Amino acid sequence: DQQVKQNSPSLSVQEGRISILNCDYTNSMFDYFLWYKKYPAEGPTFLISISSIKDKNEDGRFTVFLNKSAKHLSLHIVPSQPGDSAVYFCAASEYGGYQKVTFGTGTKLQVIP
Amino acid sequence: EAQVTQNPRYLITVTGKKLTVTCSQNMNHEYMSWYRQDPGLGLRQIYYSMNVEVTDKGDVPEGYKVSRKEKRNFPLILESPSPNQTSLYFCASSLGGGQPQHFGDGTRLSIL
Repeated sequence: DQQVKQNSPSLSVQEGRISILNCDYTNSMFDYFLWYKKYPAEGPTFLISISSIKDKNEDGRFTVFLNKSAKHLSLHIVPSQPGDSAVYFCAASEYGGYQKVTFGTGTKLQVIP
Repeated sequence: EAQVTQNPRYLITVTGKKLTVTCSQNMNHEYMSWYRQDPGLGLRQIYYSMNVEVTDKGDVPEGYKVSRKEKRNFPLILESPSPNQTSLYFCASSLGGGQPQHFGDGTRLSIL
């Protein structure tokens, strides 16, 4: 049972445009969400996070939106750059810190120059 | 430099031959975890540890063992590897399970 789903395996975007990556979850106990970026032959690196008490969090070109009623979060990258080409994973955990973490299946983003 | 170090990076071995993948972190993190990455399945958590001598199962613990005798080390043990454990493995550490994790560069295991 996949509790965290990324339904788009891949996405192509022109440089300078907005990239929108989506993530859906089913477990209503999740209340802390993270996005990671992964380049080939490297481990994932943390990008941005959001807790359930917020509906938006921004960090530079990256913004994460959380819609708790729809159990949906999205990552917006504006403007997209070729260096953003990577696989993006969303992850979720139950608040409290010392819990199991569930990752989505990943979306491969290609930013075309 | 903050690091999670996994060894080996690559290993080809045969069914049934016990192996250990080591993981060490230098950030004094309490939480450590192991994941496997498979095509179409993303990252799946195998085991995690909340502190020394405290471990718990993730989503796919069958066929794996872990131990946490020291804060910095969290080895993954495959007592009797099988071909379905061929995968890319990542170790990670963080201040807490929901906190941003630092990942190692991965260990690619091939079990023939």
